[in-house]
Amino acid sequence: DTGVSQDPRHKITKRGQNVTFRCDPISEHNRLYWYRQTLGQGPEFLTYFQNEAQLEKSRLLSDRFSAERPKGSFSTLEIQRTEQGDSAMYLCASSSTPGLADPSGSYNEQFFGPGTRLTVL
Amino acid sequence: AQTVTQSQPEMSVQEAETVTLSCTYDTSENNYYLFWYKQPPSRQMILVIRQEAYKQQNATENRFSVNFQKAAKSFSLKISDSQLGDTAMYFCAFMALGNTPLVFGKGTRLSVIA
Repeated sequence: DTGVSQDPRHKITKRGQNVTFRCDPISEHNRLYWYRQTLGQGPEFLTYFQNEAQLEKSRLLSDRFSAERPKGSFSTLEIQRTEQGDSAMYLCASSSTPGLADPSGSYNEQFFGPGTRLTVL
Repeated sequence: AQTVTQSQPEMSVQEAETVTLSCTYDTSENNYYLFWYKQPPSRQMILVIRQEAYKQQNATENRFSVNFQKAAKSFSLKISDSQLGDTAMYFCAFMALGNTPLVFGKGTRLSVIA
């Protein structure tokens, strides 16, 4: 399977606990995006990377959220001191950068993973 | 900042019929991309169709086609010969040039009825 993978698929935690999610992008993609989707809403952008550099962070990304992509491959998203309002689906997507060769032939497409559903009790 | 509006929270269509989902957007950019993504129940988001703003011709992918009206900032999706497997949430999305993050609408839940 060469698609975007995310782990875990589901996470239930108690308020105040820390959680960490992992995303493995398509191997030849150098851009990686994190989105959050609450029930009945469209995904909202959180942050994205080009290789290991974090290019942009949304205002949605409070100080309790941190994302890393240390080697330019997989990425982690950590939420500290979780709150009930953090309950959501966390989606990861990857893409190539325009101008670079992409075997898939659709270098502007963002390919999404299955998401991690977080429930904070 | 760009915004995307989907004014139809839910729609239904009979199998084999045609349905059109609406989307409007707001941007000051001249060149950009528009997308329709499909999110089946409990399954991951997949791209249905995309449109480059600099192309006048409307995109078509098999049973899926768009009506792109750049001046009106409108981007509707037409699904012909609807199938049960088309049942899903459909999201309209905007992307500025440079593979910037997507801006999504709130989605339209489409139910195809046998």
